[in-house]
Amino acid sequence: NAGVTQTPKFRILKIGQSMTLQCTQDMNHNYMYWYRQDPGMGLKLIYYSVGAGITDKGEVPNGYNVSRSTTEDFPLRLELAAPSQTSVYFCANAGTSGSHEQFFGPGTRLTVL
Amino acid sequence: AQSVTQPDIHITVSEGASLELRCNYSYGATPYLFWYVQSPGQGLQLLLKYFSGDTLVQGIKGFEAEFKRSQSSFNLRKPSVHWSDAAEYFCAVGANNNDMRFGAGTRLTVKP
Repeated sequence: NAGVTQTPKFRILKIGQSMTLQCTQDMNHNYMYWYRQDPGMGLKLIYYSVGAGITDKGEVPNGYNVSRSTTEDFPLRLELAAPSQTSVYFCANAGTSGSHEQFFGPGTRLTVL
Repeated sequence: AQSVTQPDIHITVSEGASLELRCNYSYGATPYLFWYVQSPGQGLQLLLKYFSGDTLVQGIKGFEAEFKRSQSSFNLRKPSVHWSDAAEYFCAVGANNNDMRFGAGTRLTVKP
């Protein structure tokens, strides 16, 4: 089992470009999350989903969009990239068994120039 | 408001020495408590977690943590550090799957 996979690993964007960060899980977990990690700031929640067709904003949603058409996939969309979105992005999932443990993907390092 | 504080940004210890990483939280009730480790270029991996019961919890890789309600703390410890423990460590707290807050992290360097 691959767990949580993310593509691409690295990406450089120009200001104003758009892109989609892909996240796929094979764990059949209902909960999925997108975080961004900035140096010295820990992880901030961007969006999360409690199941297919349901998404909600986290702590820092501005400039991002998500969709959850299937249990497996939870893509993150940047429509108009800005330098402030330079960060490392992590996708994670969690089951509904009550353990609350989150499983993380390897991350995508995004630079906006 | 919920918050997690890791007071130490960077800690250096010698291999074989003991380690304690601090974590303090502010929460309305006793939350679920976690420690994650992140190796360079990797995602986060769960070390241990506390939900209820015994306040001293054991985790993977020889780590343990103690929940102290009176101090709102959940410090991570290891009796003897190995060079492979060099990584960044994150404390996290939450009451449910939608409400996880992470600390800013503590970077651990291990001297030979």
